[in-house]
Amino acid sequence: DVKVTQSSRYLVKRTGEKVFLECVQDMDHENMFWYRQDPGLGLRLIYFSYDVKMKEKGDIPEGYSVSREKKERFSLILESASTNQTSMYLCASCGDTEAFFGQGTRLTVV
Amino acid sequence: GENVEQHPSTLSVQEGDSAVIKCTYSDSASNYFPWYKQELGKGPQLIIDIRSNVGEKKDQRIAVTLNKTAKHFSLHITETQPEDSAVYFCAASKNNAGNMLTFGGGTRLMVKP
Repeated sequence: DVKVTQSSRYLVKRTGEKVFLECVQDMDHENMFWYRQDPGLGLRLIYFSYDVKMKEKGDIPEGYSVSREKKERFSLILESASTNQTSMYLCASCGDTEAFFGQGTRLTVV
Repeated sequence: GENVEQHPSTLSVQEGDSAVIKCTYSDSASNYFPWYKQELGKGPQLIIDIRSNVGEKKDQRIAVTLNKTAKHFSLHITETQPEDSAVYFCAASKNNAGNMLTFGGGTRLMVKP
């Protein structure tokens, strides 16, 4: 059973904190993605990576950075969390066919 | 870049009825169109996909149609059941696979018993 696992289901952080969201996949996929999900806006791509140590900006990268030190792990970093980053964050990985998603991390910034 | 519009945003049907969700895309180079179902508290799961060399695809009660000329594609669910209640997302990609997906805004489907 293929798996994309996100380290936290729910997180509450304070404004200005540095936040790490972790994602691990067990399918040996090269491509990994971080999306943000907001009502009515669907899923929007924040960053993606097609190989270890490689990263590319998606549609809404401002306020975020990423790290891919190992093939199976892709981390999303909020350098200084703000209230407008309160959202559901979804990690995905993809090989040659479909994309597989994690269960999501609901982040609340207070 | 690609833009995907999805309608309706909410859809309520009676159990046993059919449900149709429609999406349009802007980039004629898009060639892969998946549909994802997201149940409460879970991540999206692929339910069906179609590539641009095919006009229609069926899997039991679910079907997807693609009109490349008009740049729209639709999801059809027949004989709906309460467990079909979820949020559905359409998406488009130019890579013939699930890389670099652009998503629609989502449709909340409610199936009333």
